[in-house]
Amino acid sequence: DADVTQTPRNRITKTGKRIMLECSQTKGHDRMYWYRQDPGLGLRLIYYSFDVKDINKGEISDGYSVSRQAQAKFSLSLESAIPNQTALYFCATSDPGTAGNTIYFGEGSWLTVV
Amino acid sequence: DQQVKQNSPSLSVQEGRISILNCDYTNSMFDYFLWYKKYPAEGPTFLISISSIKDKNEDGRFTVFLNKSAKHLSLHIVPSQPGDSAVYFCAAKFQGAQKLVFGQGTRLTINP
Repeated sequence: DADVTQTPRNRITKTGKRIMLECSQTKGHDRMYWYRQDPGLGLRLIYYSFDVKDINKGEISDGYSVSRQAQAKFSLSLESAIPNQTALYFCATSDPGTAGNTIYFGEGSWLTVV
Repeated sequence: DQQVKQNSPSLSVQEGRISILNCDYTNSMFDYFLWYKKYPAEGPTFLISISSIKDKNEDGRFTVFLNKSAKHLSLHIVPSQPGDSAVYFCAAKFQGAQKLVFGQGTRLTINP
């Protein structure tokens, strides 16, 4: 089983709909992240959380919100989806004790907004 | 403003030869650099890292070189194998921060 699990793995939704991507981890890490990958732009940070009471905006937080329900759970919401939010989304965790804050990624969630 | 840049979107190398993937950065406050590898339908996985106080780190077939004066790092894979075909992301961490900044990625294809 994957240490970082994302659901759903694939979703097609309509413009204006609310969509939630969920993430759970079994690594016991306090730090969790949401990234999105777009062709030619690499991985960009949307939001991150260093513990249950901590939420921080990343590079591209507009149009997104997050909830850290527990140490192991971090969900990403698109309140009103738009087509340019079509992308591959990754949840990730990290252990600050590792060199360079090594990040461990989930398998990704493909989201298509039509 | 892209602080970590991988200027080659793709690279094709013959099996058994050396693959060299390049990464440039603009901010001298980065204190750690990492390489991630990504196969289709999977999340990126950590490959190798280097501290800014070093200029080389080696792990098996993979070696990362850091040239701080040029703000440039490279990943060498020797010898290249078909299983190395993937997208490679360079990433950097700011001193005192816990976030990573990623490059755009380079798609490496190893030809038999």
